[in-house]
Amino acid sequence: NAGVMQNPRHLVRRRGQEARLRCSPMKGHSHVYWYRQLPEEGLKFMVYLQKENIIDESGMPKERFSAEFPKEGPSILRIQQVVRGDSAAYFCASSSGGSDNQPQHFGDGTRLSIL
Amino acid sequence: KQEVTQIPAALSVPEGENLVLNCSFTDSAIYNLQWFRQDPGKGLTSLLLIQSSQREQTSGRLNASLDKSSGRSTLYIAASQPGDSATYLCAVNRLTGGGNKLTFGTGTQLKVEL
Repeated sequence: NAGVMQNPRHLVRRRGQEARLRCSPMKGHSHVYWYRQLPEEGLKFMVYLQKENIIDESGMPKERFSAEFPKEGPSILRIQQVVRGDSAAYFCASSSGGSDNQPQHFGDGTRLSIL
Repeated sequence: KQEVTQIPAALSVPEGENLVLNCSFTDSAIYNLQWFRQDPGKGLTSLLLIQSSQREQTSGRLNASLDKSSGRSTLYIAASQPGDSATYLCAVNRLTGGGNKLTFGTGTQLKVEL
């Protein structure tokens, strides 16, 4: 499967724990985007990364959330000290370039539930 | 701030009917507009991407049009089938630099009945 791979598909955490969501982009893609879909809401942009660089994090909450895309390995979205309001579906997308005419390809998402 | 609206929020049609989904956006300074479908519990599947310089794109039974000046796009589905049942999302890629950042509508939930 050469598509965008996200894991885990489902993640359950208790309040105060850490959540780590992983995303492997499509083969040949070096641009990764994270989006969040809250219940009954549309997808909202969180962060855009290239290898080893954060390009745009204007959609990231100021505290507890961080993202990285190392030279080797998947992109990681990390949420520290999770709260109930973090329960959502988190989607990763990748594209082959950062130019604005490259379509984004999405993974199946990680459904995060906070107890 | 770009806002994207989709009408209707939900639609139920009998199989075989042709249908139109609507998307409107407030800021016409966009690079492109993309239509996706989302199946329950799944990610997004890209259907069509229309560049800002284009008026329409076609793929099989799907045709998407774009009128940038009026801030509107439509997705036309011909001869609908039960397998078309899904949520359809439109997203615009705005002209602000900083890369390929999509702003999504809240979707139209389509059900095609036998």
